[in-house]
Amino acid sequence: QPVVTQSSSASASLGSSVKLTCTLSSGHRTYSIAWHQQQPGKAPRFLMKLEDSGTYNKGSGVPDRFSGSSSGADRYLTISNLQSEDEADYYCETWDSNSWVFGGGTKVTVL
Amino acid sequence: EVQLLESGGGFVQPGGSLRLSCAASGLTFSSYAMNWVRQAPGKGLEWVSSITGSGISTYFADSVKGRFTISRDNSKNTLYLQMNSLRAEDTAVYYCAKGSAYSGSCIDYWGQGTLVTVSS
Repeated sequence: QPVVTQSSSASASLGSSVKLTCTLSSGHRTYSIAWHQQQPGKAPRFLMKLEDSGTYNKGSGVPDRFSGSSSGADRYLTISNLQSEDEADYYCETWDSNSWVFGGGTKVTVL
Repeated sequence: EVQLLESGGGFVQPGGSLRLSCAASGLTFSSYAMNWVRQAPGKGLEWVSSITGSGISTYFADSVKGRFTISRDNSKNTLYLQMNSLRAEDTAVYYCAKGSAYSGSCIDYWGQGTLVTVSS
């Protein structure tokens, strides 16, 4: 069963960029993941599915400022031109044939 | 537009039961796996259970295996979660979430959630 690890927090200034990391456990380096955003007091929102190749497919209405990339066991979410509404928790998700798992989430603070 | 609307949450004593429902619209319901994901107060997301599009295959987290049952009625576009032998640690907001494919795929839509509180 895969495990995904995220750093607990990140911060960046308004208008700058921030890059979040989701690391897959040993033996699961080729797994795809999904990124989800959860703004304070709201339900999560799907951002994108990201493959080990770096190819990503975003959800409906997700701004161009959000992009994904991959390197080895690491999956990244980059938020460019950071806006105040991007202050949220970001979760990565992965799965195998019969189980799903979420990372602990990264809290993004916009300075 | 895909919409997922949960209902059935509430207050229940330890050892009690509760049945959650999720009404789906805006999609060909039987074509997609469906999931339940929960979030305890102040905590992160925890996958609870999944069911394939046909309903034939079901999967559960170890924390709920043997106590929770997932099912779906494709004629009514509705997903269910039957929760028995509830414990205080089951207290959470429960989200209904659509899979991006028939089975074995990521979540691509979320409902608004329903709160379950287990307390004496």
